[in-house]
Amino acid sequence: AQTVTQSQPEMSVQEAETVTLSCTYDTSESDYYLFWYKQPPSRQMILVIRQEAYKQQNATENRFSVNFQKAAKSFSLKISDSQLGDAAMYFCAYRSAMMFSGGYNKLIFGAGTRLAVHP
Amino acid sequence: DSGVTQTPKHLITATGQRVTLRCSPRSGDLSVYWYQQSLDQGLQFLIQYYNGEERAKGNILERFSAQQFPDLHSELNLSSLELGDSALYFCASSPTQGEQYFGPGTRLTVT
Repeated sequence: AQTVTQSQPEMSVQEAETVTLSCTYDTSESDYYLFWYKQPPSRQMILVIRQEAYKQQNATENRFSVNFQKAAKSFSLKISDSQLGDAAMYFCAYRSAMMFSGGYNKLIFGAGTRLAVHP
Repeated sequence: DSGVTQTPKHLITATGQRVTLRCSPRSGDLSVYWYQQSLDQGLQFLIQYYNGEERAKGNILERFSAQQFPDLHSELNLSSLELGDSALYFCASSPTQGEQYFGPGTRLTVT
């Protein structure tokens, strides 16, 4: 079974600085997707960024980028120029790329990292 | 706004009771997923439906059941509630090919 581990329960960063959140995963599959979700105090789950395992190029979305190391099974999220609105819980998630007739597979989440942003 | 709606937003009930949580997926999405977010278990997949049929089951208790109706909305039924069932319940939907979009969640408190 696949597992996702986030070893940093809490992180903090100064406004305008850069922070990196860590995530490791375990799988025997070769094709899969990895995601970072943001959960602000409103509790809404917001997709931040996604990475396809078959792509060597690291995904980037504005101030958010990932460092995907497939061999090491590592998937970290870098937030540049941190803003107060970035304060939230961040979840790393895995999804198998196997697609059944019923659509895509379930998401498997890590325990989350709470990010605090200080002015 | 993801386009996925969930009702009610908050639910407070007593142990032993039964509740129904409702989810309306995004227009055109055939798949509905239910997740439970609790303090001690994190975010866990419960069950998935596709076009009215159950497709996958996760760590869903026997006291819990779900269904997806012809109009594609889904309901999660929780019975014989225990204190430990207090959690945030998310519904997500996806098209046959595509990402999962999460609803705002239903916060269940069992007293």
